[in-house]
Amino acid sequence: KAGVTQTPRYLIKTRGQQVTLSCSPISGHRSVSWYQQTPGQGLQFLFEYFSETQRNKGNFPGRFSGRQFSNSRSEMNVSTLELGDSALYLCASSPFSGGTTYNEQFFGPGTRLTVL
Amino acid sequence: KQEVTQIPAALSVPEGENLVLNCSFTDSAIYNLQWFRQDPGKGLTSLLLIQSSQREQTSGRLNASLDKSSGRSTLYIAASQPGDSATYLCAVSGGNTDKLIFGTGTRLQVFP
Repeated sequence: KAGVTQTPRYLIKTRGQQVTLSCSPISGHRSVSWYQQTPGQGLQFLFEYFSETQRNKGNFPGRFSGRQFSNSRSEMNVSTLELGDSALYLCASSPFSGGTTYNEQFFGPGTRLTVL
Repeated sequence: KQEVTQIPAALSVPEGENLVLNCSFTDSAIYNLQWFRQDPGKGLTSLLLIQSSQREQTSGRLNASLDKSSGRSTLYIAASQPGDSATYLCAVSGGNTDKLIFGTGTRLQVFP
C-alpha cells in the first residue's frame, strides 16, 4: 500500500506570493492533518480534515487555509507569503472513521517551502 | 493547555548501549501517545502508538511505556545501532481528534 505523498517536495517563492501544497493520503484513509515544522517552533498543528470538513484548526493566521476533496486528497494554501513561512510542511493521514478509534498517524515526506 | 517536553534534548552514545528517551506531558487526559523518528530533512516515521488504556507497546528493539497518571512515557531502545541515529519525537492526542501535540524532540547519535 502506498504511503502518504506530498507534492511538490521543494518550493521557492518570494514574499507576497501565494502557494498551494498537495497531499494524497494512504488509500482508504479519510482523515488528513497538516503541520508546520520550523527550527524555532518545532511541529505545530495547522488543520485537520475529515470527509471534506475541517474538524480542527490550529493557531495560525487566516492566510493559511486548506480544503479536502471527495477522494480525501487535501490541499493547503498560504497567501501573501512572509519570510517566517519558510518551513517544512508535513501532511499526515489516519484511518479515523468518525468515532473514538485507534488513530495512528502516518506522515508524508513533507514539502520544503523557502520564502525569499 | 497541553505541553509536551522531551529530555534529553540530545544524546550521543556508543553502539550497543541500551538507552531511554523521556517524554512528559502536562495534561493526563490524553487519548493516544505516539513515538516517531525523523531523519534530517525527512518526514516522520511512526514507531509505536500507545492507547490511553495501555501501559506499553513493543516493536523489535523498541519498547514504549505510558504512565498517564504521572504524565510520562519512555522509549527504550535496546542494543543501539548507528542506523538508530535520528531525532525522536513523542506526540499526544486528546479526545476525538487526530490533532497531535508534539514534544521538542531528542536528537540521538549512535557512533560505531
